[in-house]
Amino acid sequence: DIQMTQSPSSLSASVGDRVTITCRASHPINTYLIWYQQRPGKSPQLLIYGASSLQSGVPSRFSGGGSGTDFTLTISSLQPEDFATYYCQQSYNTPLTFGQGTKVEIK
Amino acid sequence: QVQLVQSGAEGKKPGASVKISCKASGYIFSSYYLHWLRQAPGQGLEWMGIMNPSSGSTSYTQKLQGRVTMTRDTSTSTVYLDLSGLRFEDTAVYYCARAVGDDAFDVWGQGTMVTVSS
Repeated sequence: DIQMTQSPSSLSASVGDRVTITCRASHPINTYLIWYQQRPGKSPQLLIYGASSLQSGVPSRFSGGGSGTDFTLTISSLQPEDFATYYCQQSYNTPLTFGQGTKVEIK
Repeated sequence: QVQLVQSGAEGKKPGASVKISCKASGYIFSSYYLHWLRQAPGQGLEWMGIMNPSSGSTSYTQKLQGRVTMTRDTSTSTVYLDLSGLRFEDTAVYYCARAVGDDAFDVWGQGTMVTVSS
């Protein structure tokens, strides 16, 4: 199974800050990397697919990058509604696997 | 609008079985693969398996082989997750999700809480 490791596990930031979350795969996965946002008590929401393609309706302050084993999710200017947990997922092969999550909290 | 609506919360004893439903609407049911995932309390997401609603073919994570079954009813655009031999560690919120492109989940059900306790 491909292991996905996110860092950091949590971070504190202020509204307007630039935030970057990292995801590392244990095996090269080309650009088969997806990012989700999950707010407390809610289902996850798709943000980025194919490592860098923005899902329709997702604000442009979200961006993704990387290929192979190292990937990033960047929020250019953190908004109040962005305080949530973010997960990466590899879709290179099954079983599909997820990172452990990064919780973005208010500073 | 496109949505997946799941059945309600379940409470079960160890060793029992649970069957959860996920009804699709707003799109052509047979055109998108559906997956099941789960999330234990305070934990991350775990993929359980995939169903092709058109053919009914399935593939499950090896971890749950022998305990999990996914079925569908095309007449009602509903997929089902059956999990048997429940253990305390099966306590989780269970989600169905629609896959697009390279298995990115663009539509999720609202989640079904399954609690296993004695």
